[in-house]
Amino acid sequence: EAQVTQNPRYLITVTGKKLTVTCSQNMNHEYMSWYRQDPGLGLRQIYYSMNVEVTDKGDVPEGYKVSRKEKRNFPLILESPSPNQTSLYFCASSLFWGNYGYTFGSGTRLTVV
Amino acid sequence: AQTVTQSQPEMSVQEAETVTLSCTYDTSESNYYLFWYKQPPSRQMILVIRQEAYKQQNATENRFSVNFQKAAKSFSLKISDSQLGDTAMYFCARTGANNLFFGTGTRLTVIP
Repeated sequence: EAQVTQNPRYLITVTGKKLTVTCSQNMNHEYMSWYRQDPGLGLRQIYYSMNVEVTDKGDVPEGYKVSRKEKRNFPLILESPSPNQTSLYFCASSLFWGNYGYTFGSGTRLTVV
Repeated sequence: AQTVTQSQPEMSVQEAETVTLSCTYDTSESNYYLFWYKQPPSRQMILVIRQEAYKQQNATENRFSVNFQKAAKSFSLKISDSQLGDTAMYFCARTGANNLFFGTGTRLTVIP
């Protein structure tokens, strides 16, 4: 089944404890991206990757890192999580950026206390 | 500004009736793509319909259709014969700058 697999689905952590949210797609998509969803704000892009060579910041990159060592994986890293990073996170992929609809992962509900 | 505006935070519709969700956007680009996504309580993001800006014909997918007015930068979603399973948050989105810009969403409730 073609899909974007995101783990974990739920995560509660403490301020300052490094964490990684994994994202993997099996569709040979070039483009991958991370979004956070907050009430009243919709979804906002954190980082994106056009392909394994190109990764860049989105609209809200502060406090996050990403890595694209291979095409299928695009983990999101929070080196020192803070309570304002409590949110619902989505990984998404597309064959190429632009005219294709994105396929989204099932989301990660992160709570930082 | 790269904004997408959904002016209706919440809407409701009777089962089997028709409802229209509004979306306007801002862009200086001539070619772009527009989407409607559905987010049910399971929180999965599901692509409902896609529109290419250079195509004048409005997209249709079964009970879902759009009214795309390029000059007015408007992209509304019409749901016909509403079903209980249509209850969800709906997001309008537009491509731009290696990004997909989302509106703040409209929560639709279908009433039995």
